Amino acid sequence: DARVTQTPRHKVTEMGQEVTMRCQPILGHNTVFWYRQTMMQGLELLAYFRNRAPLDDSGMPKDRFSAEMPDATLATLKIQPSEPRDSAVYFCASGLGTGPHTEAFFGQGTRLTVV
Amino acid sequence: QKEVEQDPGPLSVPEGAIVSLNCTYSNSAFQYFMWYRQYSRKGPELLMYTYSSGNKEDGRFTAQVDKSSKYISLFIRDSQPSDSATYLCAMSASGTYKYIFGTGTRLKVLA
Repeated sequence: DARVTQTPRHKVTEMGQEVTMRCQPILGHNTVFWYRQTMMQGLELLAYFRNRAPLDDSGMPKDRFSAEMPDATLATLKIQPSEPRDSAVYFCASGLGTGPHTEAFFGQGTRLTVV
Repeated sequence: QKEVEQDPGPLSVPEGAIVSLNCTYSNSAFQYFMWYRQYSRKGPELLMYTYSSGNKEDGRFTAQVDKSSKYISLFIRDSQPSDSATYLCAMSASGTYKYIFGTGTRLKVLA
């Protein structure tokens, strides 16, 4: 059963601490997305990668957020330093981009609480 | 004003009812339209995907796109309690992987 795997599922941290979220995309998928979901804003695209290269990270606060794909089986999203306003559910999604459009398959999310 | 607008609900219907969920959008460049279903504390899962205008049917689900009105709909026939979830519309322009999501409509189907 192919699925996107995210760890950890839940994270509670103190303001100022570094947070690292990990994602294992579906094997063979070449596109990875990071989204943030809040009640007020809904799902917001933070960054996406194609063949491990970042294509768009304009949705990410550059001063504290960073996203990388060290290899095809791992994507990471880091927040340093974390702030209470970063509390949200962070979703990773992957897709197979073979044309002008790719469908995104979502993981279960990481629920982040910054106190 | 957001690019994609969606009524947050909640929308409560009796089992067996026909449900209509809708989104409006402002960007005429959107070509790809999707509906996702999200159960509580789960990730969104793709339900329907359409390109440009027209209708698409899959079982009890029908997606409609009216580009002239910038309006998309998802119809659920013979709704079941298991359909209770939040339904998110999403759309993107051709040549981009950037989906813009609505904030979701919470649906409750009462047994």
